[in-house]
Amino acid sequence: QKEVEQNSGPLSVPEGAIASLNCTYSDRGSQSFFWYRQYSGKSPELIMFIYSNGDKEDGRFTAQLNKASQYVSLLIRDSQPSDSATYLCAVVGTYKYIFGTGTRLKVLA
Amino acid sequence: ETGVTQSPTHLIKTRGQQVTLRCSSQSGHNTVSWYQQALGQGPQFIFQYYREEENGRGNFPPRFSGLQFPNYSSELNVNALELDDSALYLCASSGQGAADYEQYFGPGTRLTVT
Repeated sequence: QKEVEQNSGPLSVPEGAIASLNCTYSDRGSQSFFWYRQYSGKSPELIMFIYSNGDKEDGRFTAQLNKASQYVSLLIRDSQPSDSATYLCAVVGTYKYIFGTGTRLKVLA
Repeated sequence: ETGVTQSPTHLIKTRGQQVTLRCSSQSGHNTVSWYQQALGQGPQFIFQYYREEENGRGNFPPRFSGLQFPNYSSELNVNALELDDSALYLCASSGQGAADYEQYFGPGTRLTVT
């Protein structure tokens, strides 16, 4: 079992819709969770972080964390073509990030 | 932009050679982590430096080594390059102590080994 798992996609959503990206992790002791956006050929860009169970909203983005079920998700409301990118989930273990392989999101105009 | 810089942007080396990649962390950040990202994969943790000491290492062989300097900039050295070392190498800085895990990435160095 991979430590951090994401569906590689592509996930295709129409412009204006809600995109839902999911991530599961294996280490129950993980405390910090991050979402990065990575455009093709570029480096990852931090967009959200969450430490506590529940929802955290920032603009069009909402991160959701459920430690009991060991999953974290990212919702993107009013998806725009410029949101088309790979979204990386990262979970912090002892002194290090563990990244998933990313989900490729395509927002169709 | 994050304020994290890396050099060079691109590099082509031959198998067996050695390479040094450089990273300048964001102002106020004292922790630097290095990652290897192969095409279509997520970044893989190589190691982390906090206040000039190695503070954790991933599953990479000893030919991957690093340094952090008093100004918190860092180097990644790779000896005896192999074809599989071709990847995007990313450094990320985080600030104000090893417990601060919000990492910000530099633009990366694309290494090609032929």
